Amino acid sequence: QKEVEQNSGPLSVPEGAIASLNCTYSDRGSQSFFWYRQYSGKSPELIMFIYSNGDKEDGRFTAQLNKASQYVSLLIRDSQPSDSATYLCAVRNGNTGKLIFGQGTTLQVKP
Amino acid sequence: DAGVIQSPRHEVTEMGQEVTLRCKPISGHNSLFWYRQTMMRGLELLIYFNNNVPIDDSGMPEDRFSAKMPNASFSTLKIQPSEPRDSAVYFCASSPQGGGYTFGSGTRLTVV
Repeated sequence: QKEVEQNSGPLSVPEGAIASLNCTYSDRGSQSFFWYRQYSGKSPELIMFIYSNGDKEDGRFTAQLNKASQYVSLLIRDSQPSDSATYLCAVRNGNTGKLIFGQGTTLQVKP
Repeated sequence: DAGVIQSPRHEVTEMGQEVTLRCKPISGHNSLFWYRQTMMRGLELLIYFNNNVPIDDSGMPEDRFSAKMPNASFSTLKIQPSEPRDSAVYFCASSPQGGGYTFGSGTRLTVV
């Protein structure tokens, strides 16, 4: 089992819709969780982080964390074509402090 | 703040040659990380430093890979000798203690 798992996609949504990106992790000791966006040919860019169970909202983005289910998600409201990118879920290992990345989910927002 | 600075942006080298990748972290960040990204394996952590000290190099694929951080503002990743399977994008990232990582623009390495 991979430490951080994401569906590779592509996830295709129409412009204006809600995009839902999901991630599961295996280490129950994980304490912090991050979402990065990576455009093709570019470096990963941090867009959200969450430490506590529940929801955290920032503009059109909402991160959701459920530690009991070892599940993290990212919702993008009013999706725009400019949101088309690969979204990487990252989990900080509770013992080592290392940030472990999932393979990423490719999101396509169609006009 | 100039962000994490990596050089070179692109490197093409012949198999067997030595390759040195360079990174300048964000000032004040005390952790530095080297990642490798390929289509097949995604982002893989190679090694990371805390306060210039290597903490975990378990991701370094072989003895051909080595990394140093002689001071808080500079790190190198060296591959000697290079092989075609080392072709990838190599990212350096830095972070404050417990914070999110900021990535550099990456070095695209091609070994022919």
